[in-house]
Amino acid sequence: EDQVTQSPEALRLQEGESSSLNCSYTVSGLRGLFWYRQDPGKGPEFLFTLYSAGEEKEKERLKATLTKKESFLHITAPKPEDSATYLCAVQESTGGFKTIFGAGTRLFVKA
Amino acid sequence: SQTIHQWPATLVQPVGSPLSLECTVEGTSNPNLYWYRQAAGRGLQLLFYSVGIGQISSEVPQNLSASRPQDRQFILSSKKLLLSDSGFYLCAWSVRIGRAEYSTDTQYFGPGTRLTVL
Repeated sequence: EDQVTQSPEALRLQEGESSSLNCSYTVSGLRGLFWYRQDPGKGPEFLFTLYSAGEEKEKERLKATLTKKESFLHITAPKPEDSATYLCAVQESTGGFKTIFGAGTRLFVKA
Repeated sequence: SQTIHQWPATLVQPVGSPLSLECTVEGTSNPNLYWYRQAAGRGLQLLFYSVGIGQISSEVPQNLSASRPQDRQFILSSKKLLLSDSGFYLCAWSVRIGRAEYSTDTQYFGPGTRLTVL
């Protein structure tokens, strides 16, 4: 069964304390992996799409990387405004339009 | 640029009442449209998707239905709400370029509707 598992469930950081979020996936063939940011009570905001192992993408303090079994979202010198839930999702190569989402990692950054 | 709208933002309905949530997209043509439900602490669950007017596919059996009367309008409905229908409902759009097996379907989400069934 296709699965997406995110860890940790919650992460508390001090401002400036860099860390990484993990997304492990199990699919028969990966067509794309997505990272979203979601603020409380709002819809997810698109961050990155990764297509193949070894690919990396960056946006401000965020950097997403992809291997054959997992993806990492690295947060460098986070600020309180980076506090949010980060969602990972995958599309499987034979899955048509279906996108499988993980439960998310809630990030809290304290000033 | 593309914009996606959902309304209402919040809704409180009694059990057994009907439901209609609306989603519209601006700035793009012939989008793929999706309805998701998000339960607290759980991942998004795909409910319906549509690749064109009148074309609806259901991912899970449930008390809900969807319709696409216009190219950029997607409606989620129910004839009789259940307590278990409570949740955060999200509409999303995407544009797929090329054949399905060769392209990746990046989805962009609306602001969501918080539904509480009492």
